[in-house]
Amino acid sequence: GAVVSQHPSRVICKSGTSVKIECRSLDFQATTMFWYRQFPKQSLMLMATSNEGSKATYEQGVEKDKFLINHASLTLSTLTVTSAHPEDSSFYICSARGTRGASDYGYTFGSGTRLTVV
Amino acid sequence: AQTVTQSQPEMSVQEAETVTLSCTYDTSESDYYLFWYKQPPSRQMILVIRQEAYKQQNATENRFSVNFQKAAKSFSLKISDSQLGDAAMYFCAYRRGTGNQFYFGTGTSLTVIP
Repeated sequence: GAVVSQHPSRVICKSGTSVKIECRSLDFQATTMFWYRQFPKQSLMLMATSNEGSKATYEQGVEKDKFLINHASLTLSTLTVTSAHPEDSSFYICSARGTRGASDYGYTFGSGTRLTVV
Repeated sequence: AQTVTQSQPEMSVQEAETVTLSCTYDTSESDYYLFWYKQPPSRQMILVIRQEAYKQQNATENRFSVNFQKAAKSFSLKISDSQLGDAAMYFCAYRRGTGNQFYFGTGTSLTVIP
């Protein structure tokens, strides 16, 4: 089956620094990847959608310059939180949609990253 | 705009009993998909069941089944023979047939009582 690996699972960083989160599709090509943010006891909110080799499409209210998304290959997308502040502390989850041969792997979620900014 | 509403923030069920989680949605589309995802304490989102809007037959996956009422825009999840491992946050989600974006409800926290 389709597996999406997200790394790191937890990260603590100092305010003002940048943090990179990786999302990899392990056994399929992810033509489209999605980044979600989840606050405690709340639902997942889509931040941005990225297609391989093109610029990400951000949802309204999401700062492009703060949340940099790169989808340079069919198996890897990264989210960089730049100049992180405590209010950026949250749970970030990626999701990938892709195919392997003729199989549609649909949408698979990564295991998430808990970011804490101190 | 598409919205998904889960009116039960918390539910509990006795082990081996049956529980139903409610979900309603709002859309003007005719082609769409509905999902139930489970998020255990590990926070991994796990697909429980999926329903295509064009199918009248309710989807079932072992102990999990849905009651899809298209006219009422209702999509409830029934868990039979509840097990301790079913304890988790459950999210109802909607996706347009031609779209990629998921719209999630606010979730229902399910507790299974031994």
